[in-house]
Amino acid sequence: DAGVTQSPTHLIKTRGQQVTLRCSPKSGHDTVSWYQQALGQGPQFIFQYYEEEERQRGNFPDRFSGHQFPNYSSELNVNALLLGDSALYLCASSLYGLQPQHFGDGTRLSIL
Amino acid sequence: AQTVTQSQPEMSVQEAETVTLSCTYDTSESDYYLFWYKQPPSRQMILVIRQEAYKQQNATENRFSVNFQKAAKSFSLKISDSQLGDAAMYFCAYRSANQGGSEKLVFGKGTKLTVNP
Repeated sequence: DAGVTQSPTHLIKTRGQQVTLRCSPKSGHDTVSWYQQALGQGPQFIFQYYEEEERQRGNFPDRFSGHQFPNYSSELNVNALLLGDSALYLCASSLYGLQPQHFGDGTRLSIL
Repeated sequence: AQTVTQSQPEMSVQEAETVTLSCTYDTSESDYYLFWYKQPPSRQMILVIRQEAYKQQNATENRFSVNFQKAAKSFSLKISDSQLGDAAMYFCAYRSANQGGSEKLVFGKGTKLTVNP
């Protein structure tokens, strides 16, 4: 039973570029949430996707957008990258309305 | 907005001993969930234990137990018989039960636990 998988593992970008991160939820899960974890901090909620729609959003600018596909997988897109976007991006999946969330290993994004 | 505070940036414990990690939270809601997650250097966030606010009984999972004090808004984690594999960052997290399907977790800043042999 595959858990939550994220790709790529590590990514290096420069300021102003755009990036797409990918997440496949755990088998049987239909909801995906994304978190940003800056170095030395706890994760911060970005948004949640269910039924291919954004259901809830944290305090992140519109440069952060996402998508969920019919197979429940999800993408996180970040435009006009800033140095402050350097962080570990975590994807979590669950069955809608039920806990617990299961987390992937994350994508480490470095902005030069 | 809900907040979670972990006042101990770092803690250490001797192997086989007991350690308690502290967590306080602030909310005006009466129904919610609390969690402790473990994040080893491998980065994956692993659920350690969960507590439903409406349950008075403290949750227990093998060597891990919590002391949930709802009135004081306190949720501490006790690790008994500490093992080297317990070394990790530990995060306390809150989730509302009133937002129908919301998955949003609010995390504290974490406590780094070191286990000494």
